[in-house]
Formats: sequence, structure tokens, C-alpha cells
Amino acid sequence: NAGVTQTPKFQVLKTGQSMTLQCAQDMNHNSMYWYRQDPGMGLRLIYYSASEGTTDKGEVPNGYNVSRLNKREFSLRLESAAPSQTSVYFCASSEGVGSYGYTFGSGTRLTVV
Amino acid sequence: KQEVTQIPAALSVPEGENLVLNCSFTDSAIYNLQWFRQDPGKGLTSLLLIQSSQREQTSGRLNASLDKSSGRSTLYIAASQPGDSATYLCAVRVDSNYQLIWGAGTKLIIKP
Repeated sequence: NAGVTQTPKFQVLKTGQSMTLQCAQDMNHNSMYWYRQDPGMGLRLIYYSASEGTTDKGEVPNGYNVSRLNKREFSLRLESAAPSQTSVYFCASSEGVGSYGYTFGSGTRLTVV
Repeated sequence: KQEVTQIPAALSVPEGENLVLNCSFTDSAIYNLQWFRQDPGKGLTSLLLIQSSQREQTSGRLNASLDKSSGRSTLYIAASQPGDSATYLCAVRVDSNYQLIWGAGTKLIIKP
């Protein structure tokens, strides 16, 4: 099925461990995004990639790094996980930055203990 | 700084009722406003987009309005169905800014 695929769906990490969240889209979209969603709060943008080869910080980039591997794939890395990074992470894509037609993945529920 | 608020946080109504969800924002200088739906364990689905020059948009049983001067948008759902149960989020795009500013959402439950 066309769309945005995120892996893994669930993950438990110990404080200080590292991991990479993977995201791939098959809609030939130019822009990709990583958001986090915390209870009682709106989604907050971590990083985005307006087009292949570019990445920029969003609202809450501290503690994260990203890689736009190619047009399809955009990964999010936590180098040294902290309990404050416990959240649900969503990857999304769109034809262009800020344009309509955002397609979201199903999310990764991350718990850092 | 733009802030987006959705009240109430949760709403439960009987099937068949018409209902209104609210979204307010603090800075009227927005580029557009979008409504999304989020089902449990799934991603977000775009429902409606209203450009800053528009007053409303309609899709099936959904109608979204925008009043920039008062900093408000409403999502009207006609003849609600149990399948409408989900969390509804609004997000605004601020002029000269690439990102969306999100509300925390309204969890809607439609009782059969």
C-alpha cells in the first residue's frame, strides 16, 4: 500500500542507549518530517527535510539527528536517549514544505527508562 | 508566538447529532489552517484545508470555517456516526514559516 512506513512500531530503551527510527515513503514526495507527540500537547516538529539532500531543525531538535538517505528515506537518530524523549514519533511526507497533502506514518511509541 | 488551543479536550455525543469542534489561535497572520483526524494506533489523516483568504471548506459531512479576525476555526460534523470517533486536530501554518503549529486535539466519541 502506498504511504509512509515507520519502523519499529514500539521500542523500549535504557537511558543512554542509542537507536535510529526509520521512515520511508513511496509517493515520490519531496519533503519529509519528524514530529513527536506527547500527551496533552500538540505535535511538535523535530526536524524536516524540504528536499533530498537538505535537512533543517524544527521546534525541538535537541538530542536528535536526522539523515535524508535518499528521496524515499528519512531517519531519526537518538544518540543518547533520555526519559524526556519518551513519546510517540511520527514521520510524515508532503509534496513540498508546508503544502497540503501531508501523509503520516502510523507512529513509533518509544519509552526510555 | 503562535499558540493553538482546542477545547474541549474530549466530547461524547449520541449518534446522529450534529456537532462542532473548536480551534483557536493567537496570531491572526496565518497562511492556512488544516484539520486532521487521528485514529488510535494510526497516523494522521488530512481532512480539510482552509487558506487564509477563504471562509470555509466542505467535504461530505464535514464543514470547516475560518474567522481570522477572531482567531477561530470550527469543524462542523453533520449526522455523526460511530465511525467518526477519533481525535481531531487542527494545525496552522504561519506566514513565512515552514512548519505547522498544532492544537492538542479533541477526542470525539460517538455513542451508538
